Amino acid sequence: SAVISQKPSRDICQRGTSLTIQCQVDSQVTMMFWYRQQPGQSLTLIATANQGSEATYESGFVIDKFPISRPNLTFSTLTVSNMSPEDSSIYLCSVRDSLNGYTFGSGTRLTVV
Amino acid sequence: AQSVAQPEDQVNVAEGNPLTVKCTYSVSGNPYLFWYVQYPNRGLQFLLKYITGDNLVKGSYGFEAEFNKSQTSFHLKKPSALVSDSALYFCAVRDSSSGNTPLVFGKGTRLSVIA
Repeated sequence: SAVISQKPSRDICQRGTSLTIQCQVDSQVTMMFWYRQQPGQSLTLIATANQGSEATYESGFVIDKFPISRPNLTFSTLTVSNMSPEDSSIYLCSVRDSLNGYTFGSGTRLTVV
Repeated sequence: AQSVAQPEDQVNVAEGNPLTVKCTYSVSGNPYLFWYVQYPNRGLQFLLKYITGDNLVKGSYGFEAEFNKSQTSFHLKKPSALVSDSALYFCAVRDSSSGNTPLVFGKGTRLSVIA
């Protein structure tokens, strides 16, 4: 299965600033998925990132707040912009493996103060 | 639309006893079903999946799950619980006909195994 390196693992940020999260995959994948896990909650899909096109955002998430880049088939970034304390969450990237499995990054634990 | 229900927020079990974590799903076609575990301050770890074939799926750390199409369920089980099994468990689903799409997750069930 694919291996994902996600950075940073955690960060504490000031409100109003932005943080960019990176995911590097050890193999080429068509789609990458970004999720948010708010404290004590389940995983909610933010967007799907396809190389060479704009990401597709789920209801409640907008590109201005969560811009995504997908410059090639092994890499993607998610930026959390103009942060507020409500953005404090764990952010995870995911890819679909062969044999219909899914692999997740180790997550970025974001605290906004 | 796809959805997953985990009816229990918390499951408590004594060490050595069998454990069950419940999951039901809703998809329009055939389901691909998954269980993941999340330990504190750790990422999601894959436990097992059902794609096709035998309804009883065996996974990591002695866990297994049984796919029941008539009841649209995919309950996670283990014959003898360990304290180290205490974690947050997520059931997830994808419609087999939906191509390269992401998983939809249940809300999670916190398992507490008491020594």
